[in-house]
Amino acid sequence: GESVGLHLPTLSVQEGDNSIINCAYSNSASDYFIWYKQESGKGPQFIIDIRSNMDKRQGQRVTVLLNKTVKHLSLQIAATQPGDSAVYFCAENTTYKYIFGTGTRLKVLA
Amino acid sequence: GAGVSQSPRYKVAKRGQDVALRCDPISGHVSLFWYQQALGQGPEFLTYFQNEAQLDKSGLPSDRFFAERPEGSVSTLKIQRTQQEDSAVYLCASSLVSASTDTQYFGPGTRLTVL
Repeated sequence: GESVGLHLPTLSVQEGDNSIINCAYSNSASDYFIWYKQESGKGPQFIIDIRSNMDKRQGQRVTVLLNKTVKHLSLQIAATQPGDSAVYFCAENTTYKYIFGTGTRLKVLA
Repeated sequence: GAGVSQSPRYKVAKRGQDVALRCDPISGHVSLFWYQQALGQGPEFLTYFQNEAQLDKSGLPSDRFFAERPEGSVSTLKIQRTQQEDSAVYLCASSLVSASTDTQYFGPGTRLTVL
């Protein structure tokens, strides 16, 4: 299938290590934030979300941190696995349309 | 299946041809969205439906792009007189309602290549 994100920033991590992917968002009025994972040839897959009245939310092996002061979002993946290799996008929402960041390619090294 | 489906998955068109891309949202989802994703970039909003009503089409690049959802379920994105710059992946997403904090679920996309 086609490649997603040929020229995206790349984060390479060793299998088993923790990964941190960062995102800066643009609109201080955004009230909902989502992280998506996109594998080559597939659509974005929901990972985790967070509302603006929170600063941290945990899921299974993933944690999202929100810093509204500096308009920054991060995704932490614990014990990174080969199946985590993909492009990761953050998205912000103020009304109904999502605004996506540029994406980060995560490569997991065996 | 329970997810959003799109067809065709791949479409090759000669410049000037018309194309139609189909989206089947998750059953019961009120809101439906179309996005365009160029290679190496994040998805960009095209248009939004709430049931059969097209409430926002501000992201459609030109009047060659047209979307419909006549019965509030399946949607079709039509591109007339395709141009090379229309080459991209077209993603459809749906959400249960239309609140700003409602999660959108994406389909696999249709990759359009215009020669």
